[in-house]
Amino acid sequence: DAGITQSPRHKVTETGTPVTLRCHQTENHRYMYWYRQDPGHGLRLIHYSYGVKDTDKGEVSDGYSVSRSKTEDFLLTLESATSSQTSVYFCAISGRDNQPQHFGDGTRLSIL
Amino acid sequence: SQELEQSPQSLIVQEGKNLTINCTSSKTLYGLYWYKQKYGEGLIFLMMLQKGGEEKSHEKITAKLDEKKQQSSLHITASQPSHAGIYLCGAGGTSYGKLTFGQGTILTVHP
Repeated sequence: DAGITQSPRHKVTETGTPVTLRCHQTENHRYMYWYRQDPGHGLRLIHYSYGVKDTDKGEVSDGYSVSRSKTEDFLLTLESATSSQTSVYFCAISGRDNQPQHFGDGTRLSIL
Repeated sequence: SQELEQSPQSLIVQEGKNLTINCTSSKTLYGLYWYKQKYGEGLIFLMMLQKGGEEKSHEKITAKLDEKKQQSSLHITASQPSHAGIYLCGAGGTSYGKLTFGQGTILTVHP
């Protein structure tokens, strides 16, 4: 299994609070991605990274920011959480842009 | 932007039956990935297809990409309860390896 760890695995928080999700990899892969999964929508890309300090927006980036200060860590931050951001969040990694992505186990985030 | 539509959205079969899941793209596919997801878990990579007419198999699962590279199918032979889960197709071929996913097909296999 690809060495990907997401933390926390579950979180419940209140509207308006900041939330940070962490993705840690031990594969030394260049590419890292954050997706959210919602019923009827499959997975949608939030942000991605193609190297240390190199990040860009995905399809549903509003309300989210990311940082990658080290190859192994990719952080997703909700500056002020809203109920619409209740979802399951997945991190994925890939070594090259024509290779399969490998996914973490997900973080289930509930915003009340 | 590329859109993927999967059909059916859900499927219930009896153990031992064959089944097919389809993934249709709004644009030419330059890389098509199939994943399986069990409830509450992450996605497991199954197969990747890149060439028109390409076919790959793993155990009882076969994936095909049509010649025009706009549709892929996933076929399971003699289904088992262990095949149950959500199957997702993802389209690649864009910069930085980004994927666009279909909405998923929920497969239930009754013993």
